[in-house]
Order: sequence, then structure tokens, then C-alpha cells
Amino acid sequence: GAVVSQHPSRVICKSGTSVKIECRSLDFQATTMFWYRQFPKKSLMLMATSNEGSKATYEQGVEKDKFLINHASLTLSTLTVTSAHPEDSSFYICSARARLAETGELFFGEGSRLTVL
Amino acid sequence: GQQLNQSPQSMFIQEGEDVSMNCTSSSIFNTWLWYKQDPGEGPVLLIALYKAGELTSNGRLTAQFGITRKDSFLNISASIPSDVGIYFCARQGAQKLVFGQGTRLTINP
Repeated sequence: GAVVSQHPSRVICKSGTSVKIECRSLDFQATTMFWYRQFPKKSLMLMATSNEGSKATYEQGVEKDKFLINHASLTLSTLTVTSAHPEDSSFYICSARARLAETGELFFGEGSRLTVL
Repeated sequence: GQQLNQSPQSMFIQEGEDVSMNCTSSSIFNTWLWYKQDPGEGPVLLIALYKAGELTSNGRLTAQFGITRKDSFLNISASIPSDVGIYFCARQGAQKLVFGQGTRLTINP
């Protein structure tokens, strides 16, 4: 089946630094990728929709200057958490939709756990 | 926004028991999806439902798309230890996927 890979799987950083998380579709081209955030024991909350070659669409309440999304190619989207603070600590998960997917099935990455000290 | 109400929030069962969980919504959807998430991992699709009334099985898992298109259930028969995890229902919109609150399944051996 389709594989979506995230890197890094875990990252610890100091408050005030920026962290980049990569999401790659390994065996298909992804026109659209999605970024989710998940707090402990909570559901996945959609942060933004990333479209290849255009600006990301952010969900209400998500700061676009805080969470920078770039989808420069059909196989890679990146999420950069800028000037990270402890409250940004969370599990970030990406998903990707295959370019020609008729059903629109999404494939999820393994997630990236960010801890901000 | 359009909310999905998933229940129960958690379940504690004995190995071998059957499990049932459901999802309801105030809105009509065209697609219901059921995912499982293991600790520290991303969700994995278990079953996708596309038609009202559709009943689909995947091994010991069975899911149904309610006839009103506002609800769905997932059953797991003869639970085993590897069934432990969080199960999410989700609805597929035009672009986005929206998740229910999740059902955390714990199995006592």
C-alpha cells in the first residue's frame, strides 16, 4: 500500500528555536497533504491543507506565521514550527492524498512528537 | 463545525470479548471511515464505507454505514491483545477529513 513517511519521528528543542518536520509520500505523488495536531488522549485536529505549488489553507485558529507549511513538490510537504514554545509540544501527523485517487483515501505518516523545553 | 460524536470514549474488556463502538452526526455524510491508531503512530485505515446501509467486513472487524447516513458502528469480534489502541471514526468532506473523539480500547489478558 501507499506509504507516507515523516521525519523526524521525535524532536526536542529549546524554547525560541524553529523546528522543521518533513512529510514525504514514498510511492505516489500527492497533490494534497494535510497536517494534523494531536494532544495526549485527544483526537486529531486538522491544522492546514497543503496544496502543491500554492499556499496552504489554514483552519480557523491556526496561526499561519507560527506554523509555516511548504509543499514544493508532489512528494514533499514541510511544517516549520517557528519560535517554538512549550505549548507547541504535541504530536504532529501528516497525511497525503494520491494524485489520482478516486476515493480520496488518505494515507497517514507515523507522526512526529515535538517537545519544546 | 460539523461534529462527530463517538462513543464510548474508552472500553476495558477481557480478551476474547466482542467490542462495539459507534459514531453519530447531526449532518448527513457520504463517506464514513474507521481508523485505528497505535501509541506513537499515525492512524491506519481499517474500513471505508461509501453507501448508506453498507455493511463491510475486514477480518474480525465489521462496520456499517447507517441508513440515515448520520451514523456508523464498528464491531470487533473475539478481541485479541493487538486490538489495543484508539479507534477513530472519520467523515470525508470535499477536501478534509474530520475525526471523532476516539474510543480507547484496553484489553485484559
